[in-house]
Amino acid sequence: QIQLVQSGPEVKKPGESVKISCKASGYTFTQAGMQWLKQAQGKSLKWMGWINTNTGKTTYAADFTGRFVFSLETSASTAYLQITNLKNEDMATYFCASGDFDYWGQGVMVTVSS
Amino acid sequence: DVVLTQTPPTLSATIGQSVSISCRSSQSLLHSNGNTYLHWLLQRPGQSPQLLIYLVSRLESGVPNRFSGSGSGTDFTLKISGVEAEDLGVYYCVQGTHAPLTFGSGTKLEIK
Repeated sequence: QIQLVQSGPEVKKPGESVKISCKASGYTFTQAGMQWLKQAQGKSLKWMGWINTNTGKTTYAADFTGRFVFSLETSASTAYLQITNLKNEDMATYFCASGDFDYWGQGVMVTVSS
Repeated sequence: DVVLTQTPPTLSATIGQSVSISCRSSQSLLHSNGNTYLHWLLQRPGQSPQLLIYLVSRLESGVPNRFSGSGSGTDFTLKISGVEAEDLGVYYCVQGTHAPLTFGSGTKLEIK
């Protein structure tokens, strides 16, 4: 069956970097784009952008430019989200979702604390 | 950015009751290609969101048919005809017609 399995929870200090993975299985990875979303505790979802898994082209929402990078390892059917120079406001759960939100990863909680 | 206003913010229902959630958009969600990219998600407690309805009224595979969506332009509704215990959680509308994609603030469904 189709699954998106994300990496485990992360605890980081301000200024550090984090790289989250999202491994797809059960379908052809390059046939659906991968969306990335942020959800702060108790809040709604915020769209960060998406990556075309066929071409690698990335699109970032305005609030997620500069410190946020989407990338792929197509041979491993895996998408990545890297956040550099972490700030307190980056503390949230990050989800990957394929296509038009058909399938979701389980989410990765990122804690930023000094 | 398109603002999606969901009402009510919370909803309390008994098993078997029918309920509706409204999602109003600050702009028409009718795309120039004729599609309306308004979808509904459910996030159960402690879980990832799941897609219930896409393109206003199309039921995602595996979703019970007690869920239905309707609307056009700027006004949309999700209806649950006969709430079941497993329906508790937060419902979100999301639009994909205009970049960036935006979400409503959510409607929390509680079971009495």
